[in-house]
Amino acid sequence: AQSVTQPDIHITVSEGASLELRCNYSYGATPYLFWYVQSPGQGLQLLLKYFSGDTLVQGIKGFEAEFKRSQSSFNLRKPSVHWSDAAEYFCAGQTDSWGKLQFGAGTQVVVTP
Amino acid sequence: NAGVTQTPKFRVLKTGQSMTLLCAQDMNHEYMYWYRQDPGMGLRLIHYSVGEGTTAKGEVPDGYNVSRLKKQNFLLGLESAAPSQTSVYFCASSQKRGMYEQYFGPGTRLTVT
Repeated sequence: AQSVTQPDIHITVSEGASLELRCNYSYGATPYLFWYVQSPGQGLQLLLKYFSGDTLVQGIKGFEAEFKRSQSSFNLRKPSVHWSDAAEYFCAGQTDSWGKLQFGAGTQVVVTP
Repeated sequence: NAGVTQTPKFRVLKTGQSMTLLCAQDMNHEYMYWYRQDPGMGLRLIHYSVGEGTTAKGEVPDGYNVSRLKKQNFLLGLESAAPSQTSVYFCASSQKRGMYEQYFGPGTRLTVT
């Protein structure tokens, strides 16, 4: 079955430290891949997306993600986190004809001083 | 340009009551989606629409109905609410499938007692 998995439910990181969020996908073909961020009580905002081409994708707010076909992964990174990066992050994949997204369960990021 | 809006923001229902959630978008998008978000499960697709007058079932359609009478509006109905439908509901829209991102509304928090 097609799926997106985020192995880490919760991550705590110090302000200024680097952050990496894991995402693995299971699809017959290479999916379109997305990372969204959800601040408390808010909707989802797109951070970045991968369709094809360069495997390192730059997004907003200083985030980047690397697509690795051999590992079926699309991990999100940020070199130095800010307190405002505390939020829930969702990885999503899309392969079907109607643009339907499959979401991972999400990773809650807590930023400590 | 308001993007995607949802009405209401909060609602409490008693078991067996009915209600309609309204989603509106002003971006002239063809595709619209309804998701529900539950802790630890990410977002799951309820129903979607690929154009005015069309609707289709998603991953978890039972207990819900939808209508898309106008291109800019997508309604989600609960005919007889159940406690299992307590959730946060998100509407999203996209220009087309595939390489176009989905834009999300702010969500509706529904509690069924």
